[in-house]
Amino acid sequence: AQRVTQPEKLLSVFKGAPVELKCNYSYSGSPELFWYVQYSRQRLQLLLRHISRESIKGFTADLNKGETSFHLKKPFAQEEDSAMYYCALSTDSWGKLQFGAGTQVVVTP
Amino acid sequence: ETGVTQSPTHLIKTRGQQVTLRCSSQSGHNTVSWYQQALGQGPQFIFQYYREEENGRGNFPPRFSGLQFPNYSSELNVNALELDDSALYLCASSTAQGGEQYFGPGTRLTVT
Repeated sequence: AQRVTQPEKLLSVFKGAPVELKCNYSYSGSPELFWYVQYSRQRLQLLLRHISRESIKGFTADLNKGETSFHLKKPFAQEEDSAMYYCALSTDSWGKLQFGAGTQVVVTP
Repeated sequence: ETGVTQSPTHLIKTRGQQVTLRCSSQSGHNTVSWYQQALGQGPQFIFQYYREEENGRGNFPPRFSGLQFPNYSSELNVNALELDDSALYLCASSTAQGGEQYFGPGTRLTVT
């Protein structure tokens, strides 16, 4: 069965420092990987998906099939990046998502 | 364009009771997925509906059931409530086949 692991429950970084959120998955096929974000008092929203290969709000994520990882990175963290981040996997074209447990990011000035 | 809405916002039920949660999908979306998010956990997929038919189900017992209506709104029904059913229930809508999932604000269910 597929599984998504986010090893860090909490990540505290200083403004301007790089931030990396780890995500590892287990699935024998070719999944689609996503990062979702939930800002305080807002609903869950898509941040980026690996097939689009975009940089959103300065964040990038590269799918490493060899290491089965999809880590999220940003070179210079901003205070507005403070949020809950979820890595998610989909194994079919209908977008049914399996989420990791999430990483709370706190950016301090 | 209106986003995904869910009702009620909160509710409290007693163990053994039944509950119905509602979701209105975003305009133009015909697919609805439901997720359960327990405290401190990521959302877990319950099931998905496409054009009024169930289109996949996660690892949830049959007492979790759903409906989708011709206007693509949806209901999640849970029978014989258990304490562990206490969670935030999220609804997400999308267009079929790989469209981005848009989430509602959730319904917080507390079972006592």
